[in-house]
Amino acid sequence: DTGVSQDPRHKITKRGQNVTFRCDPISEHNRLYWYRQTLGQGPEFLTYFQNEAQLEKSRLLSDRFSAERPKGSFSTLEIQRTEQGDSAMYLCASERTPTDTQYFGPGTRLTVL
Amino acid sequence: DAKTTQPNSMESNEEEPVHLPCNHSTISGTDYIHWYRQLPSQGPEYVIHGLTSNVNNRMASLAIAEDRKSSTLILHRATLRDAAVYYCILRDPMVNRDDKIIFGKGTRLHILP
Repeated sequence: DTGVSQDPRHKITKRGQNVTFRCDPISEHNRLYWYRQTLGQGPEFLTYFQNEAQLEKSRLLSDRFSAERPKGSFSTLEIQRTEQGDSAMYLCASERTPTDTQYFGPGTRLTVL
Repeated sequence: DAKTTQPNSMESNEEEPVHLPCNHSTISGTDYIHWYRQLPSQGPEYVIHGLTSNVNNRMASLAIAEDRKSSTLILHRATLRDAAVYYCILRDPMVNRDDKIIFGKGTRLHILP
């Protein structure tokens, strides 16, 4: 297994458009996390899944954001009606319960014009 | 908020040891001390973690103070490829907890050739 993968790596969109990102975790990992990172800051937690259940959402995750993890495998993060403030790196991480090491993907860099 | 305090930046010469400090005065008895680093344009990667005893792996060493209120990540012989942001994080690996990582701003390590 080559680790956590994310697609696309870069996305440029116009304000108001919808975007969807995909994350493929390491195959035996039950937990999957989404983080957002803006320039000069550490990653900030958005939401996480244990298998297919979404167990926590940060207040950063406005109602324009939705995440899914059907069948407990890959996950998608959709942002509707994008705003310039959504421009950031979106990171996905996975871990195998109950270990305590998260493995991060390379991220999707979103630029909203 | 992050429960750790790190210097914003540090500088070191190539091929010399680097000591990256971290303060965590409010650490609980079940918190593990983790270090991640983030190379430019990449997602964070796990470096090392420990509970009470000093730890060594192929990447680094972790020295933990006797009272556990501080720790130091040691890179024994820094290379240019070690230039990154280093995050010191506390995690409690109890099962069924959300266990999201709360990142601070980390320490940006500059390596001088």
